[in-house]
Amino acid sequence: DQQVKQNSPSLSVQEGRISILNCDYTNSMFDYFLWYKKYPAEGPTFLISISSIKDKNEDGRFTVFLNKSAKHLSLHIVPSQPGDSAVYFCAALGYQGAQKLVFGQGTRLTINP
Amino acid sequence: EAQVTQNPRYLITVTGKKLTVTCSQNMNHEYMSWYRQDPGLGLRQIYYSMNVEVTDKGDVPEGYKVSRKEKRNFPLILESPSPNQTSLYFCASSFYLAGGPVEQFFGPGTRLTVL
Repeated sequence: DQQVKQNSPSLSVQEGRISILNCDYTNSMFDYFLWYKKYPAEGPTFLISISSIKDKNEDGRFTVFLNKSAKHLSLHIVPSQPGDSAVYFCAALGYQGAQKLVFGQGTRLTINP
Repeated sequence: EAQVTQNPRYLITVTGKKLTVTCSQNMNHEYMSWYRQDPGLGLRQIYYSMNVEVTDKGDVPEGYKVSRKEKRNFPLILESPSPNQTSLYFCASSFYLAGGPVEQFFGPGTRLTVL
């Protein structure tokens, strides 16, 4: 039972354009949502988060949007740069507390020059 | 340098041969966790620990054991590995804050192959 879903395994975007990564969830009890970025042979690193009481959070080139009624969030990267090429994981903080992260399957983003 | 370290980074073993993957953090974090990453499934939590001597099961604990005798170390033990435990394993740590979120720091990963 996948509570957090990223339905696009891969995405290819031209350098300088906007990258939009999508994530859907099923559990309305999640309090926070996070995006992690992962390069090959490295562990995931935290990118940006959003509280369930907000609908937008911005940090430089990265913006996360949350639509609670649709149980959908998205990560926008503008402008996209070659160094953004990585696997992006959407994660939700489980209502069970204990800081349990529930991850999506990941989306591989490739930025083309 | 603040970091989470894992050893070994790569391991090939045979079915039934006990192994331990070590995890250590130098940030004085209370919370530590183990995840496995499999294609199409993302990262799934195996076990977690909220502090010394406090551990609990995650989503996929079968076939694994953990211990937390010291704050900085959280080893993952496979008593009798099987091929379905072939995976990429990540250790993570963070401060504990009820209600979160707190950034979790991940180790570099351990790629395990069980033949």
